[in-house]
Amino acid sequence: QVQMVQSGAEVKNPGASVRVSCKASGYTFTTYGISWVRQARGQGLEWMGWISAYSGDTKYAQKFQGRVTMTRDTSTRTAYLDLRSLTSDDSAVYYCVREAEVSRVVYFLYWGQGTLVTVSS
Amino acid sequence: DIQMTQSPSSLSASIGDRVTITCRASQSIAGHLNWYQQKPEKAPKVLIYGASTLQSGVPLRFSGSGFGSEFTLTISSLQPEDFATYYCQQSYTEPRTFGQGTKLQIQ
Repeated sequence: QVQMVQSGAEVKNPGASVRVSCKASGYTFTTYGISWVRQARGQGLEWMGWISAYSGDTKYAQKFQGRVTMTRDTSTRTAYLDLRSLTSDDSAVYYCVREAEVSRVVYFLYWGQGTLVTVSS
Repeated sequence: DIQMTQSPSSLSASIGDRVTITCRASQSIAGHLNWYQQKPEKAPKVLIYGASTLQSGVPLRFSGSGFGSEFTLTISSLQPEDFATYYCQQSYTEPRTFGQGTKLQIQ
């Protein structure tokens, strides 16, 4: 079965960087894109960006441009989210999501368990 | 960016009720609309994709409709496990924006 297993919770100081990993299993890694979605406590879902597991091409939400980098390692079937210059507003649960596509409709089918990132001095 | 607006933001209903949630896009997204259910402390789960296709394993009491810029999610007869927060999302273009969510509570 498909699984997306994320790294553990992180506590960071303001101004620091964080890396969240997402290890995929149960499918051919390079076949599907992976998106990253975050959710601040008590708030809604926010799409951060996408990476093609095949080519490594990325698309980022404008809000995060210049502060986020998404990469993947095909040898270990792992996707990474790097977020820099953290502020308290970045405190949230971060999810990796494997996409699916049917008749050119893309949707988010397999979600990681979420990684809590807390930014606090 | 395409803005997604859900209504209502919260809703109280009883077991067995029929419930409808609306999602409007700020521009046409054809049929590229997905619905997710999220329970507390859990990752979201897709219910419907492509506006009206039920994801495998999702109960038949869930249905979706719409095209263009207006969409609905209907639950025909509420069950206890349906009390959750529901999100719409457009996948027509990036950024793949979500609605703000509709919290469905027990009356």
